[in-house]
Amino acid sequence: DVKVTQSSRYLVKRTGEKVFLECVQDMDHENMFWYRQDPGLGLRLIYFSYDVKMKEKGDIPEGYSVSREKKERFSLILESASTNQTSMYLCASSRQYYEQYFGPGTRLTVT
Amino acid sequence: AQSVTQLGSHVSVSEGALVLLRCNYSSSVPPYLFWYVQYPNQGLQLLLKYTSAATLVKGINGFEAEFKKSETSFHLTKPSAHMSDAAEYFCAVSVWGYSTLTFGKGTMLLVSP
Repeated sequence: DVKVTQSSRYLVKRTGEKVFLECVQDMDHENMFWYRQDPGLGLRLIYFSYDVKMKEKGDIPEGYSVSREKKERFSLILESASTNQTSMYLCASSRQYYEQYFGPGTRLTVT
Repeated sequence: AQSVTQLGSHVSVSEGALVLLRCNYSSSVPPYLFWYVQYPNQGLQLLLKYTSAATLVKGINGFEAEFKKSETSFHLTKPSAHMSDAAEYFCAVSVWGYSTLTFGKGTMLLVSP
């Protein structure tokens, strides 16, 4: 069965902290994605990766970076968390040109 | 570039009534279309997908959608709503050669007894 896991379901951080969100997939998928979801705005793509060590900016990359050192793991990094980064973060993975499979999400609150 | 418009941020139906969630897309090349469902505090789950085979696509939980090129639409339907269908539904579009999806803003389905 397809499985995408995220390191935390809920996270509370302080302004200025460095935050790491981890995502792991067990399907040997080439592609991995990070989205943020906000009420009324739907899902917006932050970054995606189509191979190990490869990354592409999505629609809203500002304030974020990513790391993919192994095929199964894709990390989202908030270098200096700000209150406007309070959101639900969703990770997904897919084979090339196929449907995406999503993790359960991490609800991040920055205070 | 592709785009998706979902008409209605909220749709309310009674249990047993027809469910119709609207999705219109814009794409300069033949699209791939998807419907996802999100239950509270969960990730997105794929309901169904259109990838240029049959225009009427059947998905999980009794949902189906019809691709209509002339209307640039991919509306989601279910003949009889259940309370368990209450969730947020997202339409998404992609094209061959691209792995990214463009999502609509979502429609919240409310089901009353």
